[in-house]
Amino acid sequence: DGGITQSPKYLFRKEGQNVTLSCEQNLNHDAMYWYRQDPGQGLRLIYYSQIVNDFQKGDIAEGYSVSREKKESFPLTVTSAQKNPTAFYLCASSLGGRDTEAFFGQGTRLTVV
Amino acid sequence: QKEVEQNSGPLSVPEGAIASLNCTYSDRGSQSFFWYRQYSGKSPELIMFIYSNGDKEDGRFTAQLNKASQYVSLLIRDSQPSDSATYLCAVMGGTGGFKTIFGAGTRLFVKA
Repeated sequence: DGGITQSPKYLFRKEGQNVTLSCEQNLNHDAMYWYRQDPGQGLRLIYYSQIVNDFQKGDIAEGYSVSREKKESFPLTVTSAQKNPTAFYLCASSLGGRDTEAFFGQGTRLTVV
Repeated sequence: QKEVEQNSGPLSVPEGAIASLNCTYSDRGSQSFFWYRQYSGKSPELIMFIYSNGDKEDGRFTAQLNKASQYVSLLIRDSQPSDSATYLCAVMGGTGGFKTIFGAGTRLFVKA
């Protein structure tokens, strides 16, 4: 089945640690995105990528890093520089055109302990 | 001013009524407009997209777009308890290119 897969579903991080969230898609989509969602709030864009080996910062990129070495994969690293990382992280992909919808993974809930 | 604004709600309607959800956006050059539904703890799923002025209907859902007023809405006819969710408005295009910007969402409760 085609889709977008995020792992893990739940992740716990100690303060000062870097953690990496996985996002894989087999939809042959060019564009991939990472969003952060805090309770009762909408989605805020962290990073996005339109093609392999290219990505741009979104509105809240500080404390995060990404890579796009393969079309199928867009991992997100939450670094120790991110002071308030506890949130629900959503990865999405799309064909990248004007009227193409974004398909979302099931999300990763990150908690700092 | 936020780029995409929605009333956070909650909006409460009785079963069978019409639910009206509204969204305004700041970038006049925006080209594509999306409505997503998100159940608690789940990821968003697309309900409709629209990019031309006017109405677009799909089953019980109607999206309405007015680019002059920078306004997009979603009507849900014959609302069902299963429609209870948060509805996210999303906008693409304009100065943001293909970057999709989401509103904070409107919580809808449909009372049985």
